[in-house]
Amino acid sequence: GESVGLHLPTLSVQEGDNSIINCAYSNSASDYFIWYKQESGKGPQFIIDIRSNMDKRQGQRVTVLLNKTVKHLSLQIAATQPGDSAVYFCAENKNWGKLQFGAGTQVVVTP
Amino acid sequence: GAGVSQSPSNKVTEKGKDVELRCDPISGHTALYWYRQSLGQGLEFLIYFQGNSAPDKSGLPSDRFSAERTGGSVSTLTIQRTQQEDSAVYLCASSLDSGGADTQYFGPGTRLTVL
Repeated sequence: GESVGLHLPTLSVQEGDNSIINCAYSNSASDYFIWYKQESGKGPQFIIDIRSNMDKRQGQRVTVLLNKTVKHLSLQIAATQPGDSAVYFCAENKNWGKLQFGAGTQVVVTP
Repeated sequence: GAGVSQSPSNKVTEKGKDVELRCDPISGHTALYWYRQSLGQGLEFLIYFQGNSAPDKSGLPSDRFSAERTGGSVSTLTIQRTQQEDSAVYLCASSLDSGGADTQYFGPGTRLTVL
């Protein structure tokens, strides 16, 4: 069936290094993807989104890459900081705004 | 401006009791969504409202779950005869329009514990 999933449940990154979080999706008809960050005890916070007519989109310290050929999505965080420690979710805009979320990746930033 | 707010932040109830969870969306947002997040899991879609249209209830897990949205603003999610498996964080989100590609902004959630 259709699904959105993450490759790694936990990612440990040294402060200052770049982080890469991966996400696979199976519905080739999906046309909109979003990355959310969730800190402990808080709701998901929008980071960046990308539409299927794009391959790359950049924000502040973050870049999302979309590879439609292999149905793969990634989030890159440059110069990872302690405040980046959180769970990161990719989400697929399934149908009229109903988001389907992956299981999440825990990012742990070490000094 | 103010973001999405939810109340209560925590709710502990006994099995079999009814609970009501409240969501105040961002002013001017016409679309409102409810999601459920079990411990260590991703978010599960429950229901969404768009303006005055009939809500999409396709994600509600059972008929014990219901939601309403009064005046196109505040929404209440009601769980009747709560069960232990209902324990989760219930998240509300709103967006400007549910045309399919509008950013959803989430509230802090209500943590429900059913004893």
